[in-house]
Amino acid sequence: EDKVVQSPLSLVVHEGDTVTLNCSYEVTNFRSLLWYKQEKKAPTFLFMLTSSGIEKKSGRLSSILDKKELFSILNITATQTGDSAVYLCAAINAGGTSYGKLTFGQGTILTVHP
Amino acid sequence: DAGITQSPRHKVTETGTPVTLRCHQTENHRYMYWYRQDPGHGLRLIHYSYGVKDTDKGEVSDGYSVSRSKTEDFLLTLESATSSQTSVYFCAIREGVPYEQYFGPGTRLTVT
Repeated sequence: EDKVVQSPLSLVVHEGDTVTLNCSYEVTNFRSLLWYKQEKKAPTFLFMLTSSGIEKKSGRLSSILDKKELFSILNITATQTGDSAVYLCAAINAGGTSYGKLTFGQGTILTVHP
Repeated sequence: DAGITQSPRHKVTETGTPVTLRCHQTENHRYMYWYRQDPGHGLRLIHYSYGVKDTDKGEVSDGYSVSRSKTEDFLLTLESATSSQTSVYFCAIREGVPYEQYFGPGTRLTVT
């Protein structure tokens, strides 16, 4: 059974802090890992990581994948109150009848105080 | 915006009644998915479709059925709703390769 675990489950920081969110996975026929941000509505896509060691960056957010150790991290620098959200990671199983199915972690609730 | 709408957006129903949720997409995507989201569980896959009349079960399919008679619509049916099916339901589409999925706005279902 495919499994994705995120840590921490919740995090409270102040504006300007840097945070690191973790995601570990055990997925057969692993293809890629996705990060989403969810703010009281539908999840919105942030990154897809397929290759190990290559950082993806978007503004203050960055993410990297380690396919040997089976984990990914999402970094947010100089946090702002608008970063408060649930961050979800999901792993893609690209094998057989599971082709393209996502398994999600529980999510990390990030709260940024002014 | 991946052109996905869900209806209804909110519904309250009684235990034992049938309920159908609709997902509609306008961009001819082949793959469509139904998830439920509950506190502490992230998103869990209920059913998915890889084409018209082609569907398969996800990890939490018990108590749910789906139908896809045309590309743009994917219906999720709770034959006899139970309180454990109170949840937020999201539909998603996949834009082929390379596999990221995009979500509809969600339907909040409460079963009393």
